[in-house]
Amino acid sequence: SQQGEEDPQALSIQEGENATMNCSYKTSINNLQWYRQNSGRGLVHLILIRSNEREKHSGRLRVTLDTSKKSSSLLITASRAADTASYFCATDLRDNYGQNFVFGPGTRLSVLP
Amino acid sequence: GAGVSQSPRYKVAKRGQDVALRCDPISGHVSLFWYQQALGQGPEFLTYFQNEAQLDKSGLPSDRFFAERPEGSVSTLKIQRTQQEDSAVYLCASSLVTGGTDTQYFGPGTRLTVL
Repeated sequence: SQQGEEDPQALSIQEGENATMNCSYKTSINNLQWYRQNSGRGLVHLILIRSNEREKHSGRLRVTLDTSKKSSSLLITASRAADTASYFCATDLRDNYGQNFVFGPGTRLSVLP
Repeated sequence: GAGVSQSPRYKVAKRGQDVALRCDPISGHVSLFWYQQALGQGPEFLTYFQNEAQLDKSGLPSDRFFAERPEGSVSTLKIQRTQQEDSAVYLCASSLVTGGTDTQYFGPGTRLTVL
């Protein structure tokens, strides 16, 4: 079973709007990462947030982490058509040596021009 | 520098054939991961190498799956007697340090179709 669950499964917005995706997980983590995957391509790392951090920014991306609720959110501001992709959260499970990365099923974002 | 590369990018196999998928990680990266990604799903962990040592193979779905990294760089994922349920994209990722506490850099994947 997958540790992380993204929500919503699919999201469709207009160019210029903000997109918010959420990720919930079940067990304690060392860090949480967000990845983007364009259709037919490999995953691209977006941002890493450690368990002792609450918020992190990178360009138009903002990630929050609430370890008490075991949840994270990814906000993309001023979205562009090029942001159309699937977004995955991946958790690095504490004390789970080796099988460190567990991905959720992803949110498929469509940004309409 | 070059990223993670995988070959072939596409592979069609007849049921029962053996296949070998190759991963060239970023030079100097200690950790190497293999994942299986079914259509519309997130990647599922298969196995993890630290240099040449396979430290975790708990995600390999059956004993038909075998992975190696004999010199601590290039890795090969072999699937024997392929079945239709093996059809998926196989992703390789590498990271500079040990374990999963660092950014993983992914290759483009190998799309395997078993007929």
